[in-house]
Amino acid sequence: DAGVIQSPRHEVTEMGQEVTLRCKPISGHNSLFWYRQTMMRGLELLIYFNNNVPIDDSGMPEDRFSAKMPNASFSTLKIQPSEPRDSAVYFCASSTSGSKEYFGPGTRLTVT
Amino acid sequence: GENVEQHPSTLSVQEGDSAVIKCTYSDSASNYFPWYKQELGKGPQLIIDIRSNVGEKKDQRIAVTLNKTAKHFSLHITETQPEDSAVYFCAASEANAGKSTFGDGTTLTVKP
Repeated sequence: DAGVIQSPRHEVTEMGQEVTLRCKPISGHNSLFWYRQTMMRGLELLIYFNNNVPIDDSGMPEDRFSAKMPNASFSTLKIQPSEPRDSAVYFCASSTSGSKEYFGPGTRLTVT
Repeated sequence: GENVEQHPSTLSVQEGDSAVIKCTYSDSASNYFPWYKQELGKGPQLIIDIRSNVGEKKDQRIAVTLNKTAKHFSLHITETQPEDSAVYFCAASEANAGKSTFGDGTTLTVKP
């Protein structure tokens, strides 16, 4: 199994630009999670899906953030417009409900 | 909701010594407690987990103990090696409920 796949691995963009992060979960997993990690705030859960349906988006910081999961094998996290304070490492993880989460390698986002 | 507290935030030990990281949780419904190790530049990876029907689980040099009455669980690493240096996260969840709540992490440094 290739594990959770995220793209891009690194993204550098200018303030105000739209950023789209992509995730392919492990086949057969029915839960998908988006996390943000920074030195100041640690690991934060932004949103999670179960069977492609958003269950809890209370961690999404602002309306500038949106996430979709059009099918069981793909999800996106979009930031529009991006701001420097969005700079962080964004992780996608997947699991079968209530069990261990498998994390992807992360996308390091830098907004200048 | 669930609240997980993790201590200490940093831990430095000499190679060969033991390391102990402790977590407390608030929701008595939580019954699944995984531990993740995050190495530099990578996503967190599960190293051991325990469910509430057991009090202790061991896997080679790592072990986890759980006290449901007191709502705390601990990670024990014996005979530490430099490659154990990483950030360790505890988490708690209710099996089949979907998401886990993570602690803030412990940065473990093993000095050769």
